[in-house]
Amino acid sequence: GAGVSQTPSNKVTEKGKYVELRCDPISGHTALYWYRQSLGQGPEFLIYFQGTGAADDSGLPNDRFFAVRPEGSVSTLKIQRTERGDSAVYLCASSLQGAAYNEQFFGPGTRLTVL
Amino acid sequence: KNEVEQSPQNLTAQEGEFITINCSYSVGISALHWLQQHPGGGIVSLFMLSSGKKKHGRLIATINIQEKHSSLHITASHPRDSAVYICASGAGGTSYGKLTFGQGTILTVHP
Repeated sequence: GAGVSQTPSNKVTEKGKYVELRCDPISGHTALYWYRQSLGQGPEFLIYFQGTGAADDSGLPNDRFFAVRPEGSVSTLKIQRTERGDSAVYLCASSLQGAAYNEQFFGPGTRLTVL
Repeated sequence: KNEVEQSPQNLTAQEGEFITINCSYSVGISALHWLQQHPGGGIVSLFMLSSGKKKHGRLIATINIQEKHSSLHITASHPRDSAVYICASGAGGTSYGKLTFGQGTILTVHP
């Protein structure tokens, strides 16, 4: 079966623009996570979905960031008024359930560059 | 706030050497994950452990819950082991599996 997929793989945009990043989790995985990884750093948590609801969005840096998962499968991370500091690799991961002892399967990431 | 620290940040070895990467975390956890990330590639889960020791091929992971410390060992290292190795802690309770990551250890194995 297919793993976690993310599109686009690369996104270059200009400061102030709006972007959407998509994540297709593994079928049947109820838990979905978004992380952000800056160059030379480990990933940082952004938001966690259990089913359709955002159970924990404490990692979103500010209100320019928003994510949805309307049908409990595909998720979209939306960034408004992009800033140069938003440049990073955005990673999506899914797991069967949301628990620390469940293996998380990561997508290849979307590299976002804000000029 | 849980903090995860890895050492060393960079590690260079000759093929065949025994490798150890260390990970310390600051609060109690439910599980400790070891992950591998190749340049330009995605992240792959290597181990998930909550106690004791796990082995997979040439890779061994250990954890000491009392000391809040975990190690990843690679025996008979090979150039294809070159990658970034990341440990991540998963707290219990209401954290829903949210992972806190170390900064990663860049491993380069020369032939």
